[in-house]
Amino acid sequence: AQSVTQLGSHVSVSEGALVLLRCNYSSSVPPYLFWYVQYPNQGLQLLLKYTTGATLVKGINGFEAEFKKSETSFHLTKPSAHMSDAAEYFCAVSEAWTGRRALTFGSGTRLQVQP
Amino acid sequence: NAGVTQTPKFRVLKTGQSMTLLCAQDMNHEYMYWYRQDPGMGLRLIHYSVGEGTTAKGEVPDGYNVSRLKKQNFLLGLESAAPSQTSVYFCASSYRDASYEQYFGPGTRLTVT
Repeated sequence: AQSVTQLGSHVSVSEGALVLLRCNYSSSVPPYLFWYVQYPNQGLQLLLKYTTGATLVKGINGFEAEFKKSETSFHLTKPSAHMSDAAEYFCAVSEAWTGRRALTFGSGTRLQVQP
Repeated sequence: NAGVTQTPKFRVLKTGQSMTLLCAQDMNHEYMYWYRQDPGMGLRLIHYSVGEGTTAKGEVPDGYNVSRLKKQNFLLGLESAAPSQTSVYFCASSYRDASYEQYFGPGTRLTVT
């Protein structure tokens, strides 16, 4: 069974600093990879995804992530944090090789941005 | 388009009571999902459906039932609620295409006392 590990349940950065949220997955077959963001009391919104092709993917709000097969990682970065980035971020993988297409989520990382 | 909507937004149940959560989507998506979100555990799949009239179990199906009588609706039922079912429930839907992108509803916060 595949699994997703997000290192750090809480990350705090200063406004303007680099944001790095870590995600590692375990799967015998490279899955499809996603990052979702959840603002307080809201549903999940897709930030970016990797399915095939270019391993560096760009998403909304200035975020990007790089798929590294050798490291089984899909870390999320943003060069300069903004106060509005404070939210919870979830990494997820999809069972691309089955018909189910369901997502397996990591436990989430809460990003705090200090002024 | 309203996207994915969930009814109700909040509910408090007593142990042993039953209820049904409704999910509706207006994007003509084939796939629909029910997840539960608990602190420190991310989202876990309860049940899912790959089309009208079909449902299947996910990771944590015990204590829940689902039905998909119409393509746009996916119902989640709790026959006899237990405190362990206190959670936030999210519905999601997606196309049967290569994108695999899921669209999420705003969630239902359920408390079982």
